[in-house]
Amino acid sequence: AQTVTQSQPEMSVQEAETVTLSCTYDTSENNYYLFWYKQPPSRQMILVIRQEAYKQQNATENRFSVNFQKAAKSFSLKISDSQLGDTAMYFCAFILVGTDKLIFGTGTRLQVFP
Amino acid sequence: GAVVSQHPSWVICKSGTSVKIECRSLDFQATTMFWYRQFPKQSLMLMATSNEGSKATYEQGVEKDKFLINHASLTLSTLTVTSAHPEDSSFYICSVPTSGAQETQYFGPGTRLLVL
Repeated sequence: AQTVTQSQPEMSVQEAETVTLSCTYDTSENNYYLFWYKQPPSRQMILVIRQEAYKQQNATENRFSVNFQKAAKSFSLKISDSQLGDTAMYFCAFILVGTDKLIFGTGTRLQVFP
Repeated sequence: GAVVSQHPSWVICKSGTSVKIECRSLDFQATTMFWYRQFPKQSLMLMATSNEGSKATYEQGVEKDKFLINHASLTLSTLTVTSAHPEDSSFYICSVPTSGAQETQYFGPGTRLLVL
């Protein structure tokens, strides 16, 4: 069975600083996608970034980037120049190609302080 | 990405009544939609897969007679919580996958249900 683990229940960072959120996953399959979703206090789930497992290059979206280590089954999210609006719950998620189930981690609550 | 709406955004109802929640894909035709449930400070739990033109597929432990799903069209899926009880109080979220289920899922804003 596939699992996603986020070992940091809570993190905090000062505005303009950089923070890294950890995520590991477990699967014996080779073709999958990985995602980071953000859930602010409004509770709207917002896609932050996505990574195809077959791509070695790490995905980047503006201030958000990932460190994808396929062999280690690690998929961490780096937020640079943190902003107050980044305060949210962050969920790491995984889906196998050919299935329809998005598997979520337990989430990391990020607080950005002024 | 897909734009997804949900209605209502929140609802309070008495125990024993039924509540219908709508999920609409505003700019994308979806043969499949997903319904999730989220308890406070917890992750999302997949309840069921809504399939246009066929029966919904429920996850283990989810009562299909309790949570009725109807995928009325390529842009609309509804979740009806029948004979709601306080333990059904939760946050219900739908999602729409683009280009097949293995591609990205875009989420609706969610519906907060409180059963008194």
